Amino acid sequence: EMQLVESGGGAVQPGGSLRLSCAASGFTFDDYAMHWVRQTPGKGLEWVSVISGDGSHTKYADSVKGRFTISRDNSRNSLYLQMDSLRTEDTALYYCAKDGATIPLYYFDSWGQGTLVPVSS
Amino acid sequence: SYELTQSPSVSVSPGQTAVITCSGDKLGDKSVSWYQRKAGQSPVLLIFRDDKRPSRIPERFSGSNSGNTATLTISATQALDEADYYCQAWDRSSVEFGGGTKLTVL
Repeated sequence: EMQLVESGGGAVQPGGSLRLSCAASGFTFDDYAMHWVRQTPGKGLEWVSVISGDGSHTKYADSVKGRFTISRDNSRNSLYLQMDSLRTEDTALYYCAKDGATIPLYYFDSWGQGTLVPVSS
Repeated sequence: SYELTQSPSVSVSPGQTAVITCSGDKLGDKSVSWYQRKAGQSPVLLIFRDDKRPSRIPERFSGSNSGNTATLTISATQALDEADYYCQAWDRSSVEFGGGTKLTVL
């Protein structure tokens, strides 16, 4: 059974940093692109970032470009999101999500349970 | 940025067909997916690439996409289908989600 388990969320002040992790199991991790998607109270679901199966291709939403960095360690079946210069509008439940292919096709066929990141002073 | 519009709510009687729409400029040129999210749970993929259904999803769920509108159709709606439904569209320039439609099964 496919499973994605996020961790690393927690309260942080504006301007601070946080690193989210996602542990994957139940599928061949490096065969698939992986995404981060967030759920905010005001804007609903918002795609954040993607990384290809081999890690060579990444892409970001304009709202996080230059502040967030996605990475993966295929030897550890793990996905990461380094979040710097956090803003209050980054407050959200962050989901790790699996793509349907190695090269991203931008549909999410498995989701984790999410990890909450509240950004406030 | 690209906008996807969904009706906030749809109501249906058990056993009837529910139709949930998602609209956007030239949406038919994009690849559309649909997700179901029940209270307190993570989203579940129902439809991808406009009309394809994951093997674990019942045949009652179907999708289409043409012109400016994508449609999710739920046949023989059951009480357990009560949830929020989100469309999502992708092309090489953007990835966007709709605001969601709450389906109530009366």
